[in-house]
Amino acid sequence: AQSVTQPDIHITVSEGASLELRCNYSYGATPYLFWYVQSPGQGLQLLLKYFSGDTLVQGIKGFEAEFKRSQSSFNLRKPSVHWSDAAEYFCAVVLTNFGNEKLTFGTGTRLTIIP
Amino acid sequence: GAGVSQSPSNKVTEKGKDVELRCDPISGHTALYWYRQSLGQGLEFLIYFQGNSAPDKSGLPSDRFSAERTGGSVSTLTIQRTQQEDSAVYLCASSFWGGASEQYFGPGTRLTVT
Repeated sequence: AQSVTQPDIHITVSEGASLELRCNYSYGATPYLFWYVQSPGQGLQLLLKYFSGDTLVQGIKGFEAEFKRSQSSFNLRKPSVHWSDAAEYFCAVVLTNFGNEKLTFGTGTRLTIIP
Repeated sequence: GAGVSQSPSNKVTEKGKDVELRCDPISGHTALYWYRQSLGQGLEFLIYFQGNSAPDKSGLPSDRFSAERTGGSVSTLTIQRTQQEDSAVYLCASSFWGGASEQYFGPGTRLTVT
């Protein structure tokens, strides 16, 4: 079955430490890939997206993600987290063929930052 | 410029009542989406509009749910005879042309059915 998996429900990191959030997808073809962030009580904000080309993509707020076709993964990274990065992070995909326009989301990873 | 707006921001209703949730997309965006976010089900797609047409309604959970879009702009999601399991945050998003173009999300409407 087609799916998006975020294996980590909750991650805690110290402020200033590096971060990697995992995302794996299971589709027949490479979908379009996205990372969204949701702060408490807020809507979803796009961090970055991958369509094709360079497999390392840069996003807002200092985030980057690397697409690895061989591992069906699109992991999100940040070299040094800030307290304001505490939020919930969602990986999402859109299939590349028209007629399937919807975002399919992973279950999310909640990020807690400790001083 | 203005983003996606949704109203009301919070709605408390009694079981069995009908509710209407409104979404104002970004001006010029032809595609509009409704999603639902709940503790048990996560983020799930409900319906997609391209203009005033809804080519994908596959996520509507029952025939109590319906949506329309008028003038290629405002959309209303209607839930009839609300049930407690309908309690969730309903999110609206719009994008410039659909497909894989970036979806911009509104702040959501929190629906509580008592």
